[in-house]
Amino acid sequence: DAGVIQSPRHEVTEMGQEVTLRCKPISGHDYLFWYRQTMMRGLELLIYFNNNVPIDDSGMPEDRFSAKMPNASFSTLKIQPSEPRDSAVYFCATRSNSYEQYFGPGTRLTVT
Amino acid sequence: GENVEQHPSTLSVQEGDSAVIKCTYSDSASNYFPWYKQELGKGPQLIIDIRSNVGEKKDQRIAVTLNKTAKHFSLHITETQPEDSAVYFCAASMIAGNMLTFGGGTRLMVKP
Repeated sequence: DAGVIQSPRHEVTEMGQEVTLRCKPISGHDYLFWYRQTMMRGLELLIYFNNNVPIDDSGMPEDRFSAKMPNASFSTLKIQPSEPRDSAVYFCATRSNSYEQYFGPGTRLTVT
Repeated sequence: GENVEQHPSTLSVQEGDSAVIKCTYSDSASNYFPWYKQELGKGPQLIIDIRSNVGEKKDQRIAVTLNKTAKHFSLHITETQPEDSAVYFCAASMIAGNMLTFGGGTRLMVKP
C-alpha cells in the first residue's frame, strides 16, 4: 500500500485566497483525521471522520475551515479565506479498527 | 479535556547511550498511549504504543513503561544510533474516543 497520500506537498498562497488540501486514505481504513502542526501549538486535531461521516470537529479553529469526505477514498480540508496565521503543516492520518493512526507526509501551507 | 506534558523538550546523547523521554497526562480515562517519531519533512511515524492493561512493552531497542496511578508513561531507547535523531511525540487517548492529544515533542540528537 502507498500509505496515506496528501496533495499538494507545498502550497503558497496570498491572504484571502481559498486553499484546498487533499487526502487519500489507506484502503480499508475507515477513520480519517486532519491535524495541524505549528511551532507554537504543536500537533492539534482539527476534525475526524468515521465511515465518511464527521464525528468531532471541535478542533476546527473557525468557520473559515471546512472539511468533507465525499467517499471512502478522498477527503478535503478547505480554508476560505486564508490568513497568514493559517500557515502550518497540515497532516491527514487514517486508521483501521486496530487503533494505530498512520500519518501522511503533510502539506506545508504558507499564506503571505 | 486531556492535557499531555512531555519532557525534556530537547535531549542530546552520545551514540550508544540510552535516552529516556517522559510524559504525564491528566485524564484518568485515557487508556491508549502511542509514541511517534517525526523526521524532518515527514509525517509522524508510530513506533510503539501501550494500552492501560499493560505496564511495559518492548520492541528491540525501544521500550515504553506506563504508570496509571501516577498518570505518566516513558519511552526508553537503548544503544542509541545517529538515525534515532528525530522529534519524538507522546500521545494519549481513550481508545474508543479516537482523539489523540499530543505532547509538545522532544528533539533527540544522537552524537556520533
